[in-house]
Amino acid sequence: DQQVKQNSPSLSVQEGRISILNCDYTNSMFDYFLWYKKYPAEGPTFLISISSIKDKNEDGRFTVFLNKSAKHLSLHIVPSQPGDSAVYFCAASGGRNNDMRFGAGTRLTVKP
Amino acid sequence: DVKVTQSSRYLVKRTGEKVFLECVQDMDHENMFWYRQDPGLGLRLIYFSYDVKMKEKGDIPEGYSVSREKKERFSLILESASTNQTSMYLCASSLLTGGYGYTFGSGTRLTVV
Repeated sequence: DQQVKQNSPSLSVQEGRISILNCDYTNSMFDYFLWYKKYPAEGPTFLISISSIKDKNEDGRFTVFLNKSAKHLSLHIVPSQPGDSAVYFCAASGGRNNDMRFGAGTRLTVKP
Repeated sequence: DVKVTQSSRYLVKRTGEKVFLECVQDMDHENMFWYRQDPGLGLRLIYFSYDVKMKEKGDIPEGYSVSREKKERFSLILESASTNQTSMYLCASSLLTGGYGYTFGSGTRLTVV
């Protein structure tokens, strides 16, 4: 039972445009939501997080939005750059053990 | 900079073999995790540990066990390897839980033949 879902396996955008990656979750006990980026042959690297008490968190070109009523979050990358091409994982933590659950990932391709 | 090192990058083992995947972190983190990554399924939690000698089952512990004798080392054990355990295995560590990201190793791609 996947508690964190990324329904788009891939996304392609033009350099300089906005990339929007989406994520849905089912467990209302999650306290924090995170995004990771993964290049081939490397482990995922932490990108940005948001607490469940906030609806927006920004870090440079990356902004995460949280809609708790819809159990939905999104990652916006503006402007997108070719170096952003990677697989992006959405994750959520909380509950009894406070461990982290991951989505299936979205492969982002930014075309020059 | 925290470093999480997984001992093998690629591993090929035979069905029925006992397999050890080693993970070492160098920043005194309390928390360590083992995930497997499969296409279309993302990262699934196998086991985790919040302290030495402590271990907790994740979502898919069947066929696996773990050992944490020292704080910096967390080993994943496949008691009797099967072909459905062919996967990418990722170890991670963290100082805190919650909104703090994990630091992952580069992964071990295990093939069971």
